[in-house]
Amino acid sequence: KQEVTQIPAALSVPEGENLVLNCSFTDSAIYNLQWFRQDPGKGLTSLLLIQSSQREQTSGRLNASLDKSSGRSTLYIAASQPGDSATYLCAALNDYKLSFGAGTTVTVRA
Amino acid sequence: DAGVIQSPRHEVTEMGQEVTLRCKPISGHNSLFWYRQTMMRGLELLIYFNNNVPIDDSGMPEDRFSAKMPNASFSTLKIQPSEPRDSAVYFCASTAGPSNEQYFGPGTRLTVT
Repeated sequence: KQEVTQIPAALSVPEGENLVLNCSFTDSAIYNLQWFRQDPGKGLTSLLLIQSSQREQTSGRLNASLDKSSGRSTLYIAASQPGDSATYLCAALNDYKLSFGAGTTVTVRA
Repeated sequence: DAGVIQSPRHEVTEMGQEVTLRCKPISGHNSLFWYRQTMMRGLELLIYFNNNVPIDDSGMPEDRFSAKMPNASFSTLKIQPSEPRDSAVYFCASTAGPSNEQYFGPGTRLTVT
């Protein structure tokens, strides 16, 4: 059974600082790994998807890396803004099953 | 595209009542998933449909839960009878293929009193 862990559980940084969010998974036989953002009381917004054959994916200030052999992915958010405050979830896909981490709750202080 | 549509957005009901949650997947997507999110257990997969056929329902917690997909554009998740421990946010997601990116609906927040 795939187990996904996210560290840290919460993070508070001043505006402008770069964010580093970590995700680890136990079963390396994944098809892809997705990073999601969830605002309080809202649904999940897909941020980045990294296919198992890729090492990284970038979108604007976001960059996600994937090291399948070590079971790790990292989400980098450059020059954080108060609007980046949210919970970030990573999810690993095995076959059709998406296994989620518990999330990292980020607060960016103005 | 309107994205995945779920209704209702909020549901408050009394213990013992029947609850029906609805989902319309993105047009052209042939895989549909129901998830439940709670503080204690996070996001859990309840059931997965491919081409309207239930493939994996091992995540459905009890016989009180049932799901159907009568056609490619509609699915329901029913809880009968509902219990307070069913209180959670229920998400529906769809994808063009089981290994593709999943798109989530806004969720239904269910409260059972």
